[in-house]
Amino acid sequence: TQLLEQSPQFLSIQEGENLTVYCNSSSVFSSLQWYRQEPGEGPVLLVTVVTGGEVKKLKRLTFQFGDARKDSSLHITAAQPGDTGLYLCAGSDTNAGKSTFGDGTTLTVKP
Amino acid sequence: DSGVTQTPKHLITATGQRVTLRCSPRSGDLSVYWYQQSLDQGLQFLIQYYNGEERAKGNILERFSAQQFPDLHSELNLSSLELGDSALYFCASSVDTSGGNEQFFGPGTRLTVL
Repeated sequence: TQLLEQSPQFLSIQEGENLTVYCNSSSVFSSLQWYRQEPGEGPVLLVTVVTGGEVKKLKRLTFQFGDARKDSSLHITAAQPGDTGLYLCAGSDTNAGKSTFGDGTTLTVKP
Repeated sequence: DSGVTQTPKHLITATGQRVTLRCSPRSGDLSVYWYQQSLDQGLQFLIQYYNGEERAKGNILERFSAQQFPDLHSELNLSSLELGDSALYFCASSVDTSGGNEQFFGPGTRLTVL
């Protein structure tokens, strides 16, 4: 069974601060997705990373896939209250044809 | 708007009852996934269908069943409902099951069992 561990579980910061959340596994994934979910709504896809060592930027968000394709990080610069939400990572396995989701990091950005 | 639709948005029922949740995937997507999310918990994968066939099973209870129809919409049936089944149920769809499995989620059905 492939497991994804996300840390920290909860993070509360002030507007303008920087933060990094992590997604770790002992398994290799063919790709990894990051999603953001707001309360009562469905997760929304933010990015997919495929190549080991890949870095993708989405405005103030920077996503990195580990060289061995076992882990990933999400860095947010100058966080805003609108960044508040549950951040989920999901690892995809080509052979199994499905994704494994982590339990998520709940981020609260206070104005 | 992800293009995935789910009905109903809210459902309130009693213990022991049976309900059916419906999902229509994005146009062109062949895979449908069902997830359960209880309060303050992550997404629990239930089951996946690909082009009408069951593809993968997660922690789905025997009281729960699903199917995908020829027009690719899917239904999740929950029977003999218990209080602990109260949760958000999400459907997601994707183009295929190969690497780069990007899933697009519907708005969810909030089930309350009283």
